[in-house]
Amino acid sequence: DVKVTQSSRYLVKRTGEKVFLECVQDMDHENMFWYRQDPGLGLRLIYFSYDVKMKEKGDIPEGYSVSREKKERFSLILESASTNQTSMYLCASSFVLGAGGGETQYFGPGTRLLVL
Amino acid sequence: AQTVTQSQPEMSVQEAETVTLSCTYDTSENNYYLFWYKQPPSRQMILVIRQEAYKQQNATENRFSVNFQKAAKSFSLKISDSQLGDTAMYFCAFILGEGTYKYIFGTGTRLKVLA
Repeated sequence: DVKVTQSSRYLVKRTGEKVFLECVQDMDHENMFWYRQDPGLGLRLIYFSYDVKMKEKGDIPEGYSVSREKKERFSLILESASTNQTSMYLCASSFVLGAGGGETQYFGPGTRLLVL
Repeated sequence: AQTVTQSQPEMSVQEAETVTLSCTYDTSENNYYLFWYKQPPSRQMILVIRQEAYKQQNATENRFSVNFQKAAKSFSLKISDSQLGDTAMYFCAFILGEGTYKYIFGTGTRLKVLA
């Protein structure tokens, strides 16, 4: 079974703090994703990575950065946390089927972040 | 641009009954994939069902089945013999068949199964 883990289930931070959210997958997946989940907005893509040290911006990258130094690990960084970044953050991974695409994503349990 | 719409924010169903969750999408492409994901309360999101657009046959997984209407761009999820464990948020998702890693998610439908 694919396992995707996230470093924290709940996190409380102060405005202006630098916040690190870590995600680890154990299935040698090439692709990893960070989403933000807010009520009524569904999942919105922040960043994704298709290989070590490779990343692409998603729909809402402002205020976030990412790091992927090893294939199994994908970190999301909030450079200076703000109250509007209070949210649920979901990590996901998938392997590459090839040109056909359509890979299933496997999700972590999520980190609920509260910024005060 | 592709979009996914789930028009039912909340639904409820009695245990053992059948419920259908709606999803419509918009694309001008012909090669794509559709998914239903389930997110139980405080638990991990998991895949329920996956459909390749080029396959006319509707995908099924035990009590879960889809009604895929390609011309109408509709992808509804039917849950038969609903169980209390089906209580969850359900997300419809779409991805093109090639050239992108970007999934498009709907806003979700919160389903409550009543005892």
